[in-house]
Amino acid sequence: DSGVTQTPKHLITATGQRVTLRCSPRSGDLSVYWYQQSLDQGLQFLIQYYNGEERAKGNILERFSAQQFPDLHSELNLSSLELGDSALYFCASSPPGTTTQYFGPGTRLLVL
Amino acid sequence: GIQVEQSPPDLILQEGANSTLRCNFSDSVNNLQWFHQNPWGQLINLFYIPSGTKQNGRLSATTVATERYSLLYISSSQTTDSGVYFCAVQSGAGSYQLTFGKGTKLSVIP
Repeated sequence: DSGVTQTPKHLITATGQRVTLRCSPRSGDLSVYWYQQSLDQGLQFLIQYYNGEERAKGNILERFSAQQFPDLHSELNLSSLELGDSALYFCASSPPGTTTQYFGPGTRLLVL
Repeated sequence: GIQVEQSPPDLILQEGANSTLRCNFSDSVNNLQWFHQNPWGQLINLFYIPSGTKQNGRLSATTVATERYSLLYISSSQTTDSGVYFCAVQSGAGSYQLTFGKGTKLSVIP
């Protein structure tokens, strides 16, 4: 158990819908990262937050957005969902002053 | 951006055999991590090893940063070692994202 929690574990929805994925980092970790794992693209970095501020952006679509709240939990919002958004979404966190990332169990999203 | 190549892409082992997985990267790195993704999809941290050698039980890893490669050794493999092994690197000042290789899929058969 990495200490990073993600909810829900599984999500099935339809095209055009909007979903919210939630992540709670390890106690004391200020950085939260979101990654997407799909069959064709592999594991890709989406976005990073540090203590509530956006720190880095990767291959995140405009239909996707994220935020980190004062209690440091983070949410990834996916809207206007398409079949190709079906993937495993991971959240990771890292302690201040280190670069080691610890991954949560992931949310498996299926868009039908 | 930095390129990460892992080899071999697939590996089938008899239980009890040893194996070496390789990760090559195209630029200097600040961080290198090895992960095991089990059949349920969980990504488990194995090593944080931007340089040097570390051992944890039957697993060990070596990173030669000057030559831009890392090796993961699995000894006396067990069926529970099956899954996909990923190497991920972080490169560049102020860049904290991990870039993943495509992974090595390991199948250990009894």
